[in-house]
Amino acid sequence: GIQVEQSPPDLILQEGANSTLRCNFSDSVNNLQWFHQNPWGQLINLFYIPSGTKQNGRLSATTVATERYSLLYISSSQTTDSGVYFCAGGDLGSQGNLIFGKGTKLSVKP
Amino acid sequence: DSGVTQTPKHLITATGQRVTLRCSPRSGDLSVYWYQQSLDQGLQFLIQYYNGEERAKGNILERFSAQQFPDLHSELNLSSLELGDSALYFCASSVVETGEHPEAFFGQGTRLTVV
Repeated sequence: GIQVEQSPPDLILQEGANSTLRCNFSDSVNNLQWFHQNPWGQLINLFYIPSGTKQNGRLSATTVATERYSLLYISSSQTTDSGVYFCAGGDLGSQGNLIFGKGTKLSVKP
Repeated sequence: DSGVTQTPKHLITATGQRVTLRCSPRSGDLSVYWYQQSLDQGLQFLIQYYNGEERAKGNILERFSAQQFPDLHSELNLSSLELGDSALYFCASSVVETGEHPEAFFGQGTRLTVV
């Protein structure tokens, strides 16, 4: 199966700063999602983005499927953005199940 | 709120015991997935059901089993529990298994502690 690598593993930001999180896949994926896991453990859907660019408020994501990577941009970060960001994908033969990366732990300081 | 409901939210049990975790998928979703999140293994896919039938298996132990009922809710049964089974167990659902837009939505998880 595919392997998912996320970078950086940890990120500390001052409130108001911008950041870019990266996700690399070892093979092509047909299903790519970004999640935010909040301090209470809840996994919140951010983007379903197997290709192209999407924006939602201060967050945006870009997936370049041909080069097997995806980027998550966070602008004007807030303390409530703290938590762990996961990307996950399913390979072409999967039944919709996801392989997760190890996550990027983001801490936003006031 | 994702629309996926998991019960219970927390569970504490002793080694050797058996527990059942329950999941109600979003209305209209036919696929249910179970995932385990532990400190050492991260988030791992366990098993998937689609409209009552098992469709895919991941790293699920033989001591664990699942089923999906006609009303599409699913249960994950964990038996002969060991300390290492302590983890956060997530259920997710999606409309389809493959093809167009199989976006998965996750429940709030069941935190299992084995003592």
